[in-house]
Amino acid sequence: KQEVTQIPAALSVPEGENLVLNCSFTDSAIYNLQWFRQDPGKGLTSLLLIQSSQREQTSGRLNASLDKSSGRSTLYIAASQPGDSATYLCAVTADNYGQNFVFGPGTRLSVLP
Amino acid sequence: AAGVIQSPRHLIKEKRETATLKCYPIPRHDTVYWYQQGPGQDPQFLISFYEKMQSDKGSIPDRFSAQQFSDYHSELNMSSLELGDSALYFCASNRGTEAFFGQGTRLTVV
Repeated sequence: KQEVTQIPAALSVPEGENLVLNCSFTDSAIYNLQWFRQDPGKGLTSLLLIQSSQREQTSGRLNASLDKSSGRSTLYIAASQPGDSATYLCAVTADNYGQNFVFGPGTRLSVLP
Repeated sequence: AAGVIQSPRHLIKEKRETATLKCYPIPRHDTVYWYQQGPGQDPQFLISFYEKMQSDKGSIPDRFSAQQFSDYHSELNMSSLELGDSALYFCASNRGTEAFFGQGTRLTVV
């Protein structure tokens, strides 16, 4: 059974810092890995999608990498801003037809002005 | 651009009542997923549909049922509601790779 973990559980940084969020998964037979942002009580916003054949994806100040063989992904946020404060979840889809997501518990990020 | 639409956004029901949650996927998306997110928890997969047929089933209670209609919208029917059913229910859709989530329906059972 696929299990996804995220480290750290919570992170508080001053504005302007670069930071790294970590995601690990136990079964390397994944189809996709997707990073999401969730504001308190709100929906999930897709940030980056990495397909299993890819190594990284970039969008603005965000960069996500994937090492499928070791079961790890990192989300790098450059020059953090208070508006980045949210919970960041990674999720993987299995290498099967259903492609339902297994989510990690998330990293709660606070960027202090 | 059109996103995944869920209705209602908020719903309050009493124990043992029934509830119906609706999801309208992004146009031309053929796959719909339902997730349940309890307070302080990560989303848990309930059920998915591809081309109006159930494609996968997760931790969906027997009291719940769902279907996808000819226009690809989906409904999650919940009966004999329990206090523990209080959660944020998400619907997601995709066509191929990237999935997009709706804003969720917050169900409170009192």
